[in-house]
Amino acid sequence: EVQLVESGGGLVEPGGSLRLSCAGSGFTFSNAWMNWVRQAPGKGLEWVGRLKSKVVGGTTDYAAPVKGRFTISRDDSKNTLYLQMNSLKPEDTAVYFCTTVLSFWASGSWGQGTLVTVSS
Amino acid sequence: QSALTQPASVSGSPGQSITISCTGTNSDVGAYDYVSWYQQHPGKAPKLMIYDVSNRPSGVSNRFSGSKSGNTASLTISGLQSEDEADYYCCSCTTSNTVIFGGGTKLTVL
Repeated sequence: EVQLVESGGGLVEPGGSLRLSCAGSGFTFSNAWMNWVRQAPGKGLEWVGRLKSKVVGGTTDYAAPVKGRFTISRDDSKNTLYLQMNSLKPEDTAVYFCTTVLSFWASGSWGQGTLVTVSS
Repeated sequence: QSALTQPASVSGSPGQSITISCTGTNSDVGAYDYVSWYQQHPGKAPKLMIYDVSNRPSGVSNRFSGSKSGNTASLTISGLQSEDEADYYCCSCTTSNTVIFGGGTKLTVL
């Protein structure tokens, strides 16, 4: 069974940084493409970005609101996905989900999410 | 880029069928067959119900089906059940190599 467990959320001041982690199990992590998706309180889903597996180059794609501020990376030896978030803004406040990618873009399996609150 | 357009709410009685539409543009829904649909119950993580317009992941009921015509995709739920009451989101990749979601549709089972 695929399991994804996010961690690292919390309260951070505007302009600050935070790194989220996502531990995967139950699948071959190194072969998996991965997404981050977020959901602001009471709002809809918003795609954050995608990281391909290293075998196909390990390249990333990002949503416009986070491009240049957020970085997605992976440590396949630890079966862990990361989301480094810099220059955080109040509008980045959301629950952040990591997901596996199915068929290039769809988010197949989801973690339970971790809450990030950006506030002074 | 604006979100895909979904109705804010739909409703139906048990046993009925409902359809949720998702309208985009030639740069997203109309460009590729990479439309997916997600179900989200309150306080839970979303669940993938349909991918690549009409494919069901293993374990998803065949009461759920997807289709697309031009810039509009649709999710149909047949034989409506109380447990289908949830929020539903459509999603598409774009010609900019990004992903865009719809605003979500609240399904009420009367």
